[in-house]
Amino acid sequence: DGGITQSPKYLFRKEGQNVTLSCEQNLNHDAMYWYRQDPGQGLRLIYYSQIVNDFQKGDIAEGYSVSREKKESFPLTVTSAQKNPTAFYLCASRPQGRENSPLHFGNGTRLTVT
Amino acid sequence: AQSVSQHNHHVILSEAASLELGCNYSYGGTVNLFWYVQYPGQHLQLLLKYFSGDPLVKGIKGFEAEFIKSKFSFNLRKPSVQWSDTAEYFCAVNRNSGNTPLVFGKGTRLSVIA
Repeated sequence: DGGITQSPKYLFRKEGQNVTLSCEQNLNHDAMYWYRQDPGQGLRLIYYSQIVNDFQKGDIAEGYSVSREKKESFPLTVTSAQKNPTAFYLCASRPQGRENSPLHFGNGTRLTVT
Repeated sequence: AQSVSQHNHHVILSEAASLELGCNYSYGGTVNLFWYVQYPGQHLQLLLKYFSGDPLVKGIKGFEAEFIKSKFSFNLRKPSVQWSDTAEYFCAVNRNSGNTPLVFGKGTRLSVIA
């Protein structure tokens, strides 16, 4: 079955450490997205990529970095510069140039930084 | 920048009551509109979408939404809710051009009580 896999489901880190969240899709989608979900805040866009080797900042990119070396993969690194990294992170994808297509979401990674 | 407003943070209804969740967006051009649902412990699922044609769209599980262009609104409705509709509901919008990402509202938590 095609889909988006995010791993791990739960991640714990100490403050000051960088951490990378994995997102892999086998849907052959060009566009991939990272959102952050906080209670009462909805989903806020961190970064997105419309094609391999290209990505754009979203609304809350500070303290995060991404790479898009392969079509299937769009890992997100939460750096020590992110002031409030504890959150639920969602990866999504959709076909390129299909703005009216719904996003396909992964099951998310819950990151806790102490 | 685009923004999406969901009027109610938390709605509590009894089973069989009618539901209407408000959603307004700020962008004045041609848009695509979506409602997503997140059941407890599950990933985001598409309920319905609108991008053209009949402004009254029907989705899964008896939900429908009406696009009113003059009011920049896309309210979600269901005539009779069930306990299983307890979930968080997100409205999302993007422009119908330029591969723009989805902008989400802050969500409305629906609790249906017996």
